[in-house]
Amino acid sequence: QVQLQESGPGLVKPSETLSLTCAVSGGSISTYYWAWMRQPPGKGLEWIGYFYYRETPRYNPSLRSRVTISADTSNNRFSLKLASVTAADTAVYYCANAGPYPQYWLTYFDHWGQGILVTVSS
Amino acid sequence: QSALTQPASVSGSPGQSITISCTGTSSDVGNYNLVSWYQQHPGKAPKLIIYEVNNRPSGISNSFSGSKSGNTASLTISGLQPEDEADYYCCSFAGSSTYVFGTGTKVTVL
Repeated sequence: QVQLQESGPGLVKPSETLSLTCAVSGGSISTYYWAWMRQPPGKGLEWIGYFYYRETPRYNPSLRSRVTISADTSNNRFSLKLASVTAADTAVYYCANAGPYPQYWLTYFDHWGQGILVTVSS
Repeated sequence: QSALTQPASVSGSPGQSITISCTGTSSDVGNYNLVSWYQQHPGKAPKLIIYEVNNRPSGISNSFSGSKSGNTASLTISGLQPEDEADYYCCSFAGSSTYVFGTGTKVTVL
């Protein structure tokens, strides 16, 4: 069973870059699609983006100019970077498995990590 | 790309059936059979309960079922149980390799 664990700083200053890592166990990062979502406190879920390690990542158009998702296959993990953060980026960030490669379209987000709260504040 | 519209809350008594709607547009829900549903208990990560409109992952109770008509998808919970009290989110493919979640529905078991 695939398991995921997010890690990274819980506090980021405004205008800086948020950097998170998702460690994968129970499955190879090269076999599946992977995704990031976030959830501001008390609010709904937002899809950030997904990728397969050999293909160009796909991003939410509203975040595309600030987001980078990349893979570290040697350590079986992947990362999220969000630049120029503001208070509006304060949220619980989740990584998730998005099904086996290849697929024409993703059909689900499964095996979510427990989430990590990132607060943007000076 | 706007969030899909869900009712803020739905409630029912134990044993009853409830239905949660998820309304999108012809660019997302109406154009693809790629709607999934997630259950989220307080302080926990979301859990996949329905994918491709009406398919249940292994281990998910058959009390959960999904359907779609036009631009609206629906999740029905039959035989409501206390443990079904949670937040529920729909999600749809929205074209151009993008995805959009619903606004979320809080289910209360009376």
